[in-house]
Amino acid sequence: EVQLVESGGGLVQPGGSLRLSCAASGFILRDYYMDWVRQAPGKGLEWVGRTRDRTGSYTTEYAASVKGRFTVSRDYSENLLYLHMNSLQTEDTALYFCVRVPDSTRADCWGQGTLVTVSS
Amino acid sequence: IQLTQSPSFLSASVGDRVTITCRASQGVDGYLAWYHQKPGKAPKLLIYSTSTLQTGVPSRFSGSVSGTEFTLTISSLQPEDFATYYCQQLNSYPLTFGGGTKVEIK
Repeated sequence: EVQLVESGGGLVQPGGSLRLSCAASGFILRDYYMDWVRQAPGKGLEWVGRTRDRTGSYTTEYAASVKGRFTVSRDYSENLLYLHMNSLQTEDTALYFCVRVPDSTRADCWGQGTLVTVSS
Repeated sequence: IQLTQSPSFLSASVGDRVTITCRASQGVDGYLAWYHQKPGKAPKLLIYSTSTLQTGVPSRFSGSVSGTEFTLTISSLQPEDFATYYCQQLNSYPLTFGGGTKVEIK
């Protein structure tokens, strides 16, 4: 069964850092584009960032709101995806989803999300 | 690319035909997907590449396009379809979502 499980969320002060993890099972992470998508409380969906697959040399793309602060990376041996978040701001408070994106055409598998709260 | 969904709220009855529109500010080369999300759950893929039904999704869901206006149609609304619906363009960066359409029971 294809599954994504996020972890690492929590309460962090403004200016702080956090690393989210996404454990993939049922498929090989390196063969897929992978995205992070977030949803602020009571709001809609916002794309955060992407890492391409092995064919795309695992290159990355980011939303303007997080570029320079967030980094998407992979641990190939452990089939894990990460989102490294620095200089966190209150507006980064959201539920963060890890998402599989076959052929970059669709988000066909979503994790359950991990909640990040940025507050003093 | 901005995606403008309409309506933002829709009240309908079981058995109704429902149409949700997503207008793109520029061309997306057909790379548009639809999802629905129930409270407390992750979004679920319904349709991708404008009109391709995701495996396992009921055939009452369909997608179409006219120019840069994309449409999601539910031919006969079922109780499990009450949710919030989002479109997403995957053609160019930054990827973007529509603002959402909440479908509630009349």
